[in-house]
Amino acid sequence: SQTIHQWPATLVQPVGSPLSLECTVEGTSNPNLYWYRQAAGRGLQLLFYSVGIGQISSEVPQNLSASRPQDRQFILSSKKLLLSDSGFYLCAWSVLREVHFGNGTRLTVT
Amino acid sequence: DQQVKQNSPSLSVQEGRISILNCDYTNSMFDYFLWYKKYPAEGPTFLISISSIKDKNEDGRFTVFLNKSAKHLSLHIVPSQPGDSAVYFCAASSIIQGAQKLVFGQGTRLTINP
Repeated sequence: SQTIHQWPATLVQPVGSPLSLECTVEGTSNPNLYWYRQAAGRGLQLLFYSVGIGQISSEVPQNLSASRPQDRQFILSSKKLLLSDSGFYLCAWSVLREVHFGNGTRLTVT
Repeated sequence: DQQVKQNSPSLSVQEGRISILNCDYTNSMFDYFLWYKKYPAEGPTFLISISSIKDKNEDGRFTVFLNKSAKHLSLHIVPSQPGDSAVYFCAASSIIQGAQKLVFGQGTRLTINP
């Protein structure tokens, strides 16, 4: 069966520091991969998606970037974090029409 | 512009009764709809989905109804159980550039009372 691993579960980072969140998917090949964010009191917002290695599409202009160095690996990065980057970040994968999520990373920028 | 709306932030239902969660959307391009259940500090768990070519899909205690003309869908849970207490999100989907793009509602917090 397919599983998705996302780490770390929680992260506290100072403003201006870099960020790297990693996500890997097991049990499937060539999945579509996604990064979502849930800000406090709001719904989930799509940040990035990837339909293949090296292919990244961005949904909203922001301080973050994404990369897909391997088929089942998706990385969310920032060179310098802002206070507004705080939130709950979720990696997801899909094959066909169902989208499945990891357990998320709670990022607090101080 | 909120394309997917869940107008009830919370819902309280007695154990054993039916829970009905509602969702409205505005974009006719959405062709697939999903419901997720979410506990605090965890990712959303997929529950059930429905294609726009159908008007009903059932899986055990969960049934999703779609009314395309009204751009409305609902999730019925019957009978409701205490373990169903969680936040429920509906999501509307379209395929853009080969990727499944979901737009989520704000969520409804369901509380099942014993």
